[in-house]
This record gives sequence, C-alpha cells and structure tokens, in this order.
Amino acid sequence: GAGVSQTPSNKVTEKGKYVELRCDPISGHTALYWYRQSLGQGPEFLIYFQGTGAADDSGLPNDRFFAVRPEGSVSTLKIQRTERGDSAVYLCASSLGVAHHNEQFFGPGTRLTVL
Amino acid sequence: AQSVTQLDSQVPVFEEAPVELRCNYSSSVSVYLFWYVQYPNQGLQLLLKYLSGSTLVKGINGFEAEFNKSQTSFHLRKPSVHISDTAEYFCAVSQGDYKLSFGAGTTVTVRA
Repeated sequence: GAGVSQTPSNKVTEKGKYVELRCDPISGHTALYWYRQSLGQGPEFLIYFQGTGAADDSGLPNDRFFAVRPEGSVSTLKIQRTERGDSAVYLCASSLGVAHHNEQFFGPGTRLTVL
Repeated sequence: AQSVTQLDSQVPVFEEAPVELRCNYSSSVSVYLFWYVQYPNQGLQLLLKYLSGSTLVKGINGFEAEFNKSQTSFHLRKPSVHISDTAEYFCAVSQGDYKLSFGAGTTVTVRA
C-alpha cells in the first residue's frame, strides 16, 4: 500500500516568507509526527497529533512554527517569517497508535532551503 | 531526558566484510531502542527494535543488534555487507512514549 507522502520534496524560499509543508499519512494511522533533520544531525521531534488535535507540540522551536491536522488525516506544517536557520529536511511519520510498539513510518521528507 | 551517541560518523567497509555500528544512550529509566536506515533519497525505514525480552534482536536484511543494559549500548552488526547496504543508519531511543530521540547518524559506505 501507499506509504507516507510529503509535498513538496524540495522548497526554496526567501528569508521572511511563509511556507507550508504537507504530509499525507498512511491510511488508517491515527498518530502523526513531524520531525526536523538539520544537516549532519539526526531527526528532532517537533509535534505529535493524535487524531485532529496536537497532543504534544513541545518540540516546536518557537511561535513561528505551527501545524494543523483538521480532519485527522493530512497535516500541514506552517512556518511564518522564515529564517535561514529553518533550513533543514522536515520529516513526517505516522503510526497506527501512539504506544511505543507501534512502528513509526517515515515519509521521504521535504528539504527546505531559506535563502 | 535521554540522549543518543553514535560513536562513528562514517564507516567505510569492503563488500562481504562484517560491520558494527556503535550506539550508546543515556537514560535514567527503562528505554526502548531502535535502528533506522535511510537510503539515498528515501525515508527512514525501521531495521529492528528492542522492546523487551531477548537482548539479541534480529532485523531485516541480515542485521542484528544487542542490547546491553549495563553498558547502555545497542550496537548494530551485520556479518557480511553488500553494496546495497550503503546508507545512513540512525540509532533511536524512546522512554515508552511516542518521542524518538535520534543519534546523529552513521554513514556506511560499502566498496567492492
């Protein structure tokens, strides 16, 4: 079946602009996660959704970052007033549930470059 | 809070040779341990995981890892690598919740 998909695969923007990154999870997965992977580092947790609600947004770096999942499926990560330091690969993952034994399936990521 | 250290950033290895990727973690509570692989231009894929039980865990593609609680390690091994094993490998830890904490990754390059 289809895996987690993310669009766009690459996004180049200018400092100060607004961007939206989209994630389509695996059908039937109730849990959805966003991670950010900076160059030379492992992914870092940003936010987790259970259904439509953001159950834990403790990893969002500041209030320029926001994410929604209005119908409990597709999620959008929104970044306002982008800064060069926001350049990274943004990864989305989904799982059947939130328990630790539920495997998180990752999408290919969106590479964001802020000029 | 937990942290994950992958001791080698790059590991070059010849085809059919064995490989070991080292991972140490720090945590004051019980943890669950994972190894993910990332092939070029692809998403992270789970290789194996330790949740409980036997400390020797077997995963996909001939990989295995051993959980050592006293040394807080979870090293990944493969007895004979192939060219197709060229990828980046990430060790990750969770404390039983949904948050995965990842190491910085180890790039494995397999040469003929």
